Amino acid sequence: NAGVTQTPKFQVLKTGQSMTLQCAQDMNHNSMYWYRQDPGMGLRLIYYSASEGTTDKGEVPNGYNVSRLNKREFSLRLESAAPSQTSVYFCASSEYLGGSYEQYFGPGTRLTVT
Amino acid sequence: KQEVTQIPAALSVPEGENLVLNCSFTDSAIYNLQWFRQDPGKGLTSLLLIQSSQREQTSGRLNASLDKSSGRSTLYIAASQPGDSATYLCAVRLTTGNQFYFGTGTSLTVIP
Repeated sequence: NAGVTQTPKFQVLKTGQSMTLQCAQDMNHNSMYWYRQDPGMGLRLIYYSASEGTTDKGEVPNGYNVSRLNKREFSLRLESAAPSQTSVYFCASSEYLGGSYEQYFGPGTRLTVT
Repeated sequence: KQEVTQIPAALSVPEGENLVLNCSFTDSAIYNLQWFRQDPGKGLTSLLLIQSSQREQTSGRLNASLDKSSGRSTLYIAASQPGDSATYLCAVRLTTGNQFYFGTGTSLTVIP
């Protein structure tokens, strides 16, 4: 099992450019999440998808859109990148098993917006 | 809203010392609490998960405890090694909603 995979690993954008961050999981999990991690701020939830076909806003959704393409894939789109979106982005998945929800993370995408 | 706090933010100890990392949360209606390790420039690796009905979980030199009523969890690391140097984060999953709530982490440095 590859677990949770993310592409690309690194990306540099100019202000105003758009891009899509890809995430896929092969664990048959229903729930998927997008976080951003900034120094001193911890992990902040951008969007999540509790199941295929549903998406919900998290703590910091402005400037982002998501698509739950199927059960495996959950993408994050920046329509018009801003320097404030410079961050490390993590995708995660989760499932209810044996009385608990365990979360699994991808390796992250390091995004710089100039 | 669930608030998760980890104190201290940074900790430096000599090799071989036993140490305790703390995690506190405000809403005790949780399904579980999960401890993660994050190395610089890397993703989060799950260390231990404690269900709300459990008091502790152990994996090798790591022992995590949970006191749901007081809103606290501790991660005990025995006989620390330089390879334990990393940031440790805790996260809770409430019984309502679909979100996980993370602390800001404790950065641990083990000095050889």
